[in-house]
Amino acid sequence: DSGVTQTPKHLITATGQRVTLRCSPRSGDLSVYWYQQSLDQGLQFLIQYYNGEERAKGNILERFSAQQFPDLHSELNLSSLELGDSALYFCASSVELGQGDYTFGSGTRLTVV
Amino acid sequence: LAKTTQPISMDSYEGQEVNITCSHNNIATNDYITWYQQFPSQGPRFIIQGYKTKVTNEVASLFIPADRKSSTLSLPRVSLSDTAVYYCLVGPRSAGNKLTFGGGTRVLVKP
Repeated sequence: DSGVTQTPKHLITATGQRVTLRCSPRSGDLSVYWYQQSLDQGLQFLIQYYNGEERAKGNILERFSAQQFPDLHSELNLSSLELGDSALYFCASSVELGQGDYTFGSGTRLTVV
Repeated sequence: LAKTTQPISMDSYEGQEVNITCSHNNIATNDYITWYQQFPSQGPRFIIQGYKTKVTNEVASLFIPADRKSSTLSLPRVSLSDTAVYYCLVGPRSAGNKLTFGGGTRVLVKP
């Protein structure tokens, strides 16, 4: 157990739907990062939050959004889902803004049918 | 961030030492070298990080030559459970926000 908790572990939904993925960072970590991993794209950085504020955006689609709440948990919202959004979505956390040593969760496997 | 190049795959046998070399010719002065390990359907796991010379922890060693244009992750006496994908990442520690993963090296440990 890495200390980063992601729920749900698996999610199957239909095209056009909206889902919310949840992440609880490791105790004491202020930064949360979201990554998407698909077979053809590898691990892609989506977005980072630090203590409730958005810090950086990567290759995140406009249909996707995220937020970090006062208790530091984070949610990634994916809407108007397409087949190509099927992937593993990982959350990672780090102390402060990170020194390169992130702690990753076990991921949420999203399948869009 | 500095671009990295590492072998796509490597095979080894139990008990052997595995060395994975990563090239990063345009590494910047304030860049660090970080290695992650990822098992199938699991999140990546931080292994080791270094700036220059040699770094060793309970899991691996990281060798960085003086010019820092490459680095080698050394896994001593591998076991079947070390079969995984290993990623080399290069960037400033202060970046935090854009840890960029490349294709990684798929290591297969055979009995």
